[in-house]
Amino acid sequence: DSGVTQTPKHLITATGQRVTLRCSPRSGDLSVYWYQQSLDQGLQFLIQYYNGEERAKGNILERFSAQQFPDLHSELNLSSLELGDSALYFCASSVGSRGGLETQYFGPGTRLLVL
Amino acid sequence: AQKVTQAQTEISVVEKEDVTLDCVYETRDTTYYLFWYKQPPSGELVFLIRRNSFDEQNEISGRYSWNFQKSTSSFNFTITASQVVDSAVYFCALSEADFGNEKLTFGTGTRLTIIP
Repeated sequence: DSGVTQTPKHLITATGQRVTLRCSPRSGDLSVYWYQQSLDQGLQFLIQYYNGEERAKGNILERFSAQQFPDLHSELNLSSLELGDSALYFCASSVGSRGGLETQYFGPGTRLLVL
Repeated sequence: AQKVTQAQTEISVVEKEDVTLDCVYETRDTTYYLFWYKQPPSGELVFLIRRNSFDEQNEISGRYSWNFQKSTSSFNFTITASQVVDSAVYFCALSEADFGNEKLTFGTGTRLTIIP
């Protein structure tokens, strides 16, 4: 158990809908990262937040947005969902802001299925 | 741009055999970090090891060992005396120390199946 929690574990929704994925980092970690794992794209970095502020952005679609709250939990919002958004979404956390220099610990993931 | 290549898509070995998973990386930076993660059938990503670019010492942890060679840009992972519980997808990942761009870049993974 990495100490990173994600809810829900599974999510089934329809095209055009909006969903919110939630992540709580390990105790003491200030950075949260979101990754998407899909069959065709593999594991891809989406976005990083550090202590409430956006820190780095990867291949995140405009339909997707994220935020980190004062209690450091983070939410990833996916809107106007398409079939291709079906994937496993991971949250990871690390102690500081330098994600590349630290170990990122991953949560169990949220499996999203868009029908 | 950084890139990680895991050329072995799938490997199957009989239990107790040794197996090596290959990882080749590309980066222009002199400071970078390499990682291995394990993804068992349950789906979570489990951290195994982190190595920085200035430390080429091989590392051993129980049945696991890692061989880092900067000359060939490789960071290979060996499991000795494999067990069924080692069956998983293994990912090699790279991060650079560029400020504000320190994401993990993952390889495509190697699916390892240990046959009892």
